Parts: sequence; structure tokens; C-alpha cells
Amino acid sequence: GENVEQHPSTLSVQEGDSAVIKCTYSDSASNYFPWYKQELGKRPQLIIDIRSNVGEKKDQRIAVTLNKTAKHFSLHITETQPEDSAVYFCAAVRGGSNYKLTFGKGTLLTVNP
Amino acid sequence: KAGVTQTPRYLIKTRGQQVTLSCSPISGHRSVSWYQQTPGQGLQFLFEYFSETQRNKGNFPGRFSGRQFSNSRSEMNVSTLELGDSALYLCASSLDGLTYGYTFGSGTRLTVV
Repeated sequence: GENVEQHPSTLSVQEGDSAVIKCTYSDSASNYFPWYKQELGKRPQLIIDIRSNVGEKKDQRIAVTLNKTAKHFSLHITETQPEDSAVYFCAAVRGGSNYKLTFGKGTLLTVNP
Repeated sequence: KAGVTQTPRYLIKTRGQQVTLSCSPISGHRSVSWYQQTPGQGLQFLFEYFSETQRNKGNFPGRFSGRQFSNSRSEMNVSTLELGDSALYLCASSLDGLTYGYTFGSGTRLTVV
């Protein structure tokens, strides 16, 4: 079955620095890759996503890159702020009749002021 | 528009009992997925329903079951509760699981004593 590895499990950066979280997936049929942010005590929220026909997508300070050949995708946060502190989850989705969504185990990002 | 509604928010049950959790998706969403979240295991996929059909199931014992009704509302049932079933159970809805990612509900916090 699909396996999604997410690294690092914890990440601490200084305010203003960049943060990068990486995920690898095993199922070559996966074609949709969302990222979720979960603040303490709150529900996960979709922050950005990318499809397999796109290599990069950007939304203000957040960007996601996808390398289909290597089966890995990454979340990049620039100019980090304390409110970026949260757990981030990547996911890989395989569509169609054999639909499957698999989450990574999460990365706890701490942005120090 | 209304978000994803999960009921109840909190539940305390005794070992051996069974429990049913409910999830009402965003209007128009036909895909509902369920997750178990514990501190050490992140988000673990339970199952996903689309138009009343279970498309996929995670690696959970048969004590965990679910269903989806014609109005897309979904229920999850856990029979013969064990202490290890204590967790936050999240459901999420999406148009089809692929288009815009999932919107999560606030979850049901289940405590088994």
C-alpha cells in the first residue's frame, strides 16, 4: 500500500528564516498532494495543494514543489512568523476506483521570535 | 456555508461498549473520510466514503466500521471498545476527495475508561 514518509518530525527556526518540510511517497499512481496545518487544539486546515501535472505552486509565503520522478514533494515557508508554528501534514492521494489518501506523520514547526 | 459538523464533541465510554459518531459534510460534498488522531501516531486513515460506497479502508480491526447515507452524512461505529481506542476522531469532507482537498470537522474526543 501507499507509504508517505515525512521529515523532519520537528523543526525549529528563527522568525524570518525559511522552513522546508519534505515528503516522499511510494505509490506512483498518487496524483494529488495536499498540505494541512494543524494548530494546537484545532482542526487540520488545507493550506496548499499540488497536482501531478504541476511541478510547483506558490501562494504568498508558501510554496510546494513536486518531483514525480523521485516521488517527493516539499513545503517551503519563507519569512516565517510565530503564527506559522503548528503541526504540518503532507498527504498523497490516489484517485479513481482505488481511491486512497495517506497522510505523513506530521512535522511540528516552531518559529521562535 | 456551514462547515463539517461532528457530533458529539466529547464522549466517555466504558471498555466493551460500542459507540457511534456522526459527521455531516459540507452541503454538496460527496466524499467523507474518517481519521483517528493520537499524539504518537498522527492522522491515521480509517475509511473513505463516496456516494454511499466505501472506496478504501485503512489498517484498523473490523471493530471499526462506517457507512454513508444518501444525503452524504456519515457515521462511524466502534464496537467492543478498548482503552487504546481513546483518541480524537476527525471526519473530513470533499467534493470528490480530489478537487479541493478536505475540510475537517472539529472532531469527537472519545475517552474509553
